[in-house]
Amino acid sequence: DGGITQSPKYLFRKEGQNVTLSCEQNLNHDAMYWYRQDPGQGLRLIYYSQIVNDFQKGDIAEGYSVSREKKESFPLTVTSAQKNPTAFYLCASSIGGPPGYEQYFGPGTRLTVT
Amino acid sequence: GQQVMQIPQYQHVQEGEDFTTYCNSSTTLSNIQWYKQRPGGHPVFLIQLVKSGEVKKQKRLTFQFGEAKKNSSLHITATQTTDVGTYFCADYGGSQGNLIFGKGTKLSVKP
Repeated sequence: DGGITQSPKYLFRKEGQNVTLSCEQNLNHDAMYWYRQDPGQGLRLIYYSQIVNDFQKGDIAEGYSVSREKKESFPLTVTSAQKNPTAFYLCASSIGGPPGYEQYFGPGTRLTVT
Repeated sequence: GQQVMQIPQYQHVQEGEDFTTYCNSSTTLSNIQWYKQRPGGHPVFLIQLVKSGEVKKQKRLTFQFGEAKKNSSLHITATQTTDVGTYFCADYGGSQGNLIFGKGTKLSVKP
């Protein structure tokens, strides 16, 4: 059963702590993405990776970091430098890098920082 | 940077009524994609439009790309309760060729 998995579904952290969100895909897709979604907002791109060991900043990369050591995995770390980390985080993948391919999304992780 | 504007933000309809959401840009759109996100769920790809004036249909859903490639629309005929969710348009026009999403139109359907 192919797809994208994100864990955990809900995550709670105290302010000042770094937290890493997991994203794994078994679709054999080259490109992977991280988006942030806030209530009433569209999706905003945090980071994306078109190939292993390479990634680019999106529109709102400040306070976040990523790695792409394996094709199937693209973890996102929300650092203590991110001023408003509470949000719904979505991971996605596509066959190739932009432009032009449909993106497949994982179920998301809802992060709450207090 | 490029912005993709989507209207309306919310739409409440009676089951059986039609529904339309519009996606507009001041610059030429590249490839428009439409996604649907059910409440509590994640976005799911519906369709991609590439050519000027393109029209595509999926059962009760009709997607259009404007002649000048500055707007797109999604029309649902005779809405059903299963159509509930937020519909997003997205354009591959970001500075690095990435997807730029509109803020979405949230559709609610009263049975």
